[in-house]
Amino acid sequence: AQTVTQSQPEMSVQEAETVTLSCTYDTSENNYYLFWYKQPPSRQMILVIRQEAYKQQNATENRFSVNFQKAAKSFSLKISDSQLGDTAMYFCAFMGTETGANSKLTFGKGITLSVRP
Amino acid sequence: NAGVTQTPKFQVLKTGQSMTLQCAQDMNHNSMYWYRQDPGMGLRLIYYSASEGTTDKGEVPNGYNVSRLNKREFSLRLESAAPSQTSVYFCASSFGNFPNEKLFFGSGTQLSVL
Repeated sequence: AQTVTQSQPEMSVQEAETVTLSCTYDTSENNYYLFWYKQPPSRQMILVIRQEAYKQQNATENRFSVNFQKAAKSFSLKISDSQLGDTAMYFCAFMGTETGANSKLTFGKGITLSVRP
Repeated sequence: NAGVTQTPKFQVLKTGQSMTLQCAQDMNHNSMYWYRQDPGMGLRLIYYSASEGTTDKGEVPNGYNVSRLNKREFSLRLESAAPSQTSVYFCASSFGNFPNEKLFFGSGTQLSVL
């Protein structure tokens, strides 16, 4: 069974600085997807970034980038130039590709990020 | 462009009552999903519909039924609510099958079963 671990329950960062959120996972699959989702106080789940395991290049989306280390099963999220609107809970998630659309999307417990003005 | 719309946003039920959560998307997506989120946890898939006219069980389907009424609408029904079904429910949609396609989420329904 897959597991996703986010060991830091909360973090705080000064506006305009850089912060890295950690995530590790465990799987026996070779091909899979990894995600970071943002859940602000509005409660809506918003996809931040997605990484496909067979791609060696780290995914980037504007101020958000990942450090994907497949051998170490590590998938950290770096937020550059932090903004007040980045304050939210962030979930790391894993999905395998072996069983199609009903594949289990496994989430970590989440980390609460606070951006200080 | 509204995206994914869920109603109601909040609901309180007594044990044994029934209710239907409504979801509609206006993005012409083929696939729709229902997830639940419990405190301190991420999402778990209840049911999904890969296309109009089809539905399949996800990870935690017990106690729920779904209807894919048409391409736009996908409802979730609790026939006899139980306290264990207290949760936040999210509807989502994608053009094709997730994870190949991006998921778009509604803003959730907070359900409390007393």
